[in-house]
Amino acid sequence: DVKVTQSSRYLVKRTGEKVFLECVQDMDHENMFWYRQDPGLGLRLIYFSYDVKMKEKGDIPEGYSVSREKKERFSLILESASTNQTSMYLCASRGYQETQYFGPGTRLLVL
Amino acid sequence: SQKIEQNSEALNIQEGKTATLTCNYTNYSPAYLQWYRQDPGRGPVFLLLIRENEKEKRKERLKVTFDTTLKQSLFHITASQPADSATYLCALSLNSGYSTLTFGKGTMLLVSP
Repeated sequence: DVKVTQSSRYLVKRTGEKVFLECVQDMDHENMFWYRQDPGLGLRLIYFSYDVKMKEKGDIPEGYSVSREKKERFSLILESASTNQTSMYLCASRGYQETQYFGPGTRLLVL
Repeated sequence: SQKIEQNSEALNIQEGKTATLTCNYTNYSPAYLQWYRQDPGRGPVFLLLIRENEKEKRKERLKVTFDTTLKQSLFHITASQPADSATYLCALSLNSGYSTLTFGKGTMLLVSP
């Protein structure tokens, strides 16, 4: 079974802090994705990556950056956290099939 | 602009009945459509995928239909059980390969015993 893990289930940060969210997949998938999920807005794509060192902006990249130095790991970075970035963050990976496999999510609270 | 619509109101049904969830879309010509299940506080889990040239797909108690003329997919759970209670998301992709998915906001299903 594909396993996608995220570094934290819950995270509390202060406004202005730099925040790193880590995602690791164990299936040698080429594609990885970061989403945020908010009540009433659904899942929205922040960034995705087709390969190591490749990244593409999704629908809402502002205030975020990403890093993919190794195939199995895709990091989401909040350069200067703000309260409107309080959300549930979900990482997903995809191989040659179209199915996306999601991690358990990180619930981030920015105070 | 492209839009995916799922019923925002929860669907309440009794155990044993068939649940039917709807996904409508506009301004898309999707290559395929997927359905995911999401439990509270967890990531979505893939259930079924149906391609644009397929009318129907089944997996155990699940059935998905895809009508590209009506721009609609229906997701059915037969003989529903309380354990089927969750939020169900539909997602569209414009093409296979290096395409991203766009998700609907989901419909919550509540199955009462």
